[in-house]
Amino acid sequence: QMQLQESGPGLVKPSETLSLTCTVSGGSISSSSYFWGWIRQPPGKGLKWIGSIYYSGSTYYNPSLQSRVTISVDTSKDQFSLKLSSVTAADTAVYYCARLQTAGEAFDIWGHGTMVTVSS
Amino acid sequence: QSALTQPASVSGSPGQSITISCTGTSSDVGNYNLVSWYQRHPGKAPKLMIHEANKRPSGVSNRFSGSQSGNTASLTISGLQAEDEADYYCCSYAGSSTWVFGGGTKLTVL
Repeated sequence: QMQLQESGPGLVKPSETLSLTCTVSGGSISSSSYFWGWIRQPPGKGLKWIGSIYYSGSTYYNPSLQSRVTISVDTSKDQFSLKLSSVTAADTAVYYCARLQTAGEAFDIWGHGTMVTVSS
Repeated sequence: QSALTQPASVSGSPGQSITISCTGTSSDVGNYNLVSWYQRHPGKAPKLMIHEANKRPSGVSNRFSGSQSGNTASLTISGLQAEDEADYYCCSYAGSSTWVFGGGTKLTVL
């Protein structure tokens, strides 16, 4: 059974870069059947898709975050990562990584999420 | 890319049926048959309940069903149970490999 686990600092200072990694276990990230995505949920708000990546490195970003987001993949480690630059308090959220099925076109496996607070 | 519109809250008594709507535009919901629904209990990861508007993943109760008409998708839960109390989110493909979520609906089982 594939599992995803987010890791990274829980506290980031304003104007700095938020960095998170998602480790995939129980399967390979290098499958043509999946994309890999980042989704976040600010306190009291809904889910927001941040971006997705294919194992080949092709990336797709939310237009509202595109100028600050970089998603990368390390197939040798079965990991993909999120970098969000110039963060503000508005970036405080629970960040989830998830598997996106190309067949069912849905996020079918999620990590447990990690809370990131932007504060000095 | 605006968030899909969901009611903030719905409620129902055990055994009843409820429906949660998810309204988008002709650029997302109305243009693709690719709406998914997620259930999220407090402190837990979202769980996929419906994909491609009306398909249930293996293991999801058949009390959950989805439908779509035009720019609006719907999730219906029949035979409401206490364990169904959770937040529900819709999500739609929006073209060019992008995705948009709804604001979420809090379901209360009375």
